Amino acid sequence: DQQVKQNSPSLSVQEGRISILNCDYTNSMFDYFLWYKKYPAEGPTFLISISSIKDKNEDGRFTVFLNKSAKHLSLHIVPSQPGDSAVYFCAASAMDSNYQLIWGAGTKLIIKP
Amino acid sequence: DTAVSQTPKYLVTQMGNDKSIKCEQNLGHDTMYWYKQDSKKFLKIMFSYNNKELIINETVPNRFSPKSPDKAHLNLHINSLELGDSAVYFCASSQDLLAGAGKNIQYFGAGTRLSVL
Repeated sequence: DQQVKQNSPSLSVQEGRISILNCDYTNSMFDYFLWYKKYPAEGPTFLISISSIKDKNEDGRFTVFLNKSAKHLSLHIVPSQPGDSAVYFCAASAMDSNYQLIWGAGTKLIIKP
Repeated sequence: DTAVSQTPKYLVTQMGNDKSIKCEQNLGHDTMYWYKQDSKKFLKIMFSYNNKELIINETVPNRFSPKSPDKAHLNLHINSLELGDSAVYFCASSQDLLAGAGKNIQYFGAGTRLSVL
């Protein structure tokens, strides 16, 4: 029973264009959401997060949007750069489960030159 | 100077053996975790320790035993290894899991790829 779903295993985007990665969740108790980036043979690294009291959080080229009614969040990267090629994981947590992170399966982003 | 380091990076062993994976963090964090990344690439929490006390203990076989000698270290010992234990194991740490989501940004080690033959 996947509570956090990333339905696109991979995504290919032209360098300089916008990359949009999507994530859906089923647990309405989730109140904090995070995106992590992972390069091969490395551990995930934190990218950006958003609390459920917000609908948008921006950090440089990265923006996360949260649509609570649709239980959907997305990560926008603009402009996309070659170094953005990686696997992106969405994760969510809830106060009533000790903020344990529940992870999606990841989306592999490939930035084409 | 690696923030979260785990050793070894690769571990190849025979079924039935006992092995340990070590993890150390130099971030001054109170909380440490062990995750298993399965063949479908899902990251699943196994254990979480906060100030050396077990906080999260998901349903894992009792052949897996975490040990936290101090809050900077969380080692994972695995007894009687089985083929299904083959996976990548990640150690992570965060400032303080119990202080709220904002204190739970997790920092990961590079992973240990365990292959059981």
